[in-house]
Amino acid sequence: DGGITQSPKYLFRKEGQNVTLSCEQNLNHDAMYWYRQDPGQGLRLIYYSQIVNDFQKGDIAEGYSVSREKKESFPLTVTSAQKNPTAFYLCASSSRTSGIHEQYFGPGTRLTVT
Amino acid sequence: GNSVTQMEGPVTLSEEAFLTINCTYTATGYPSLFWYVQYPGEGLQLLLKATKADDKGSNKGFEATYRKETTSFHLEKGSVQVSDSAVYFCALSPSPPGGYNKLIFGAGTRLAVHP
Repeated sequence: DGGITQSPKYLFRKEGQNVTLSCEQNLNHDAMYWYRQDPGQGLRLIYYSQIVNDFQKGDIAEGYSVSREKKESFPLTVTSAQKNPTAFYLCASSSRTSGIHEQYFGPGTRLTVT
Repeated sequence: GNSVTQMEGPVTLSEEAFLTINCTYTATGYPSLFWYVQYPGEGLQLLLKATKADDKGSNKGFEATYRKETTSFHLEKGSVQVSDSAVYFCALSPSPPGGYNKLIFGAGTRLAVHP
């Protein structure tokens, strides 16, 4: 089955540590995205990538970094510079050639930093 | 700028009640409009979409009509079930299509359906 996988589902880290969240898709989509979701709020865009080896900052990129070395993978690193890293992180992808801008989402990773 | 406003929740209904979740948007041109649903602890799933004025998106008994004159895309269902309990997000993708598929989300509306 085609889809997006994120691992792990739950992640716990101590303050001051960097942590990397995994996102893999086998939908052959060109574009991939990372969102952050806080309780009772909508999704905010962190980073996005339209093609391999290229990515752009979203609305809240400070304290995060990404890479896009392969089409199917778009890992997100939450650095110690992120002031409030505890949140639910969602990865998504879309077909760049599609005329309809629907994005497909993974199941998410809940990160808790103490 | 582009934005999406949804009615605040939670919305609490009895099974088989009629559901309306209001969504209005601000955008230039002709955006595409979406409703996504998020079940507890999961990612978002696309529920329905509409890409031009007067289009009606529908799926699993849910419907929404793209109303350009009122800049609205209200979600409706004639008879809700307990299994519809979830958070519903309205979203828009600004025109023109192609290239970077930016999505702008509303804050979400939690629906709780009880037996």
